[in-house]
Amino acid sequence: AQKVTQAQTEISVVEKEDVTLDCVYETRDTTYYLFWYKQPPSGELVFLIRRNSFDEQNEISGRYSWNFQKSTSSFNFTITASQVVDSAVYFCALSGVTGGGNKLTFGTGTQLKVEL
Amino acid sequence: DTEVTQTPKHLVMGMTNKKSLKCEQHMGHRAMYWYKQKAKKPPELMFVYSYEKLSINESVPSRFSPECPNSSLLNLHLHALQPEDSALYLCASSHRPDGSVSYEQYFGPGTRLTVT
Repeated sequence: AQKVTQAQTEISVVEKEDVTLDCVYETRDTTYYLFWYKQPPSGELVFLIRRNSFDEQNEISGRYSWNFQKSTSSFNFTITASQVVDSAVYFCALSGVTGGGNKLTFGTGTQLKVEL
Repeated sequence: DTEVTQTPKHLVMGMTNKKSLKCEQHMGHRAMYWYKQKAKKPPELMFVYSYEKLSINESVPSRFSPECPNSSLLNLHLHALQPEDSALYLCASSHRPDGSVSYEQYFGPGTRLTVT
């Protein structure tokens, strides 16, 4: 069985602060994929990143960065210099490739509030 | 263009009504999905279509009936719903997983359904 844990239910920061959203996963698959999605109040889930289990290189995209560590089964997401527009629910998700390769296992989400 | 469109945006229906939700994508994706999302919860997978054929049904009640008339369209027919079916219904699409790769899903804005 696959499982994704986002222990932080809600985080509040002041604009321009850096913030890290934690994601811990469990899977027995040797090949798997990890994802982050953003869901603003409008409701649409916005795809942010996909990472496969063989690629542990960290990634940076503008103010966003991701730290993937297989040793600790974690795939954490950092927003640098946060902005009010970053306020949203962020979901970490996991997908295997056998049989249920179409199926995403979502974490419970972290509500991020960025205030002025 | 990474756009998935859904209509209507909002829908209010009585328990005896029949209605349909529509989803469209023009990204050439051959996998399409229906999710149900309750407030403050992650999306729950309902159905997956692969090459216009139903490949996954997550034990969804028969009052929800999916249909994939062609590679760009996905419908969800609703009949005799219950108030607890009120939720945000999200459509998504992706490249069809090939057994070794799991691709990111692109989501539409959703339909907010209220059953009275």
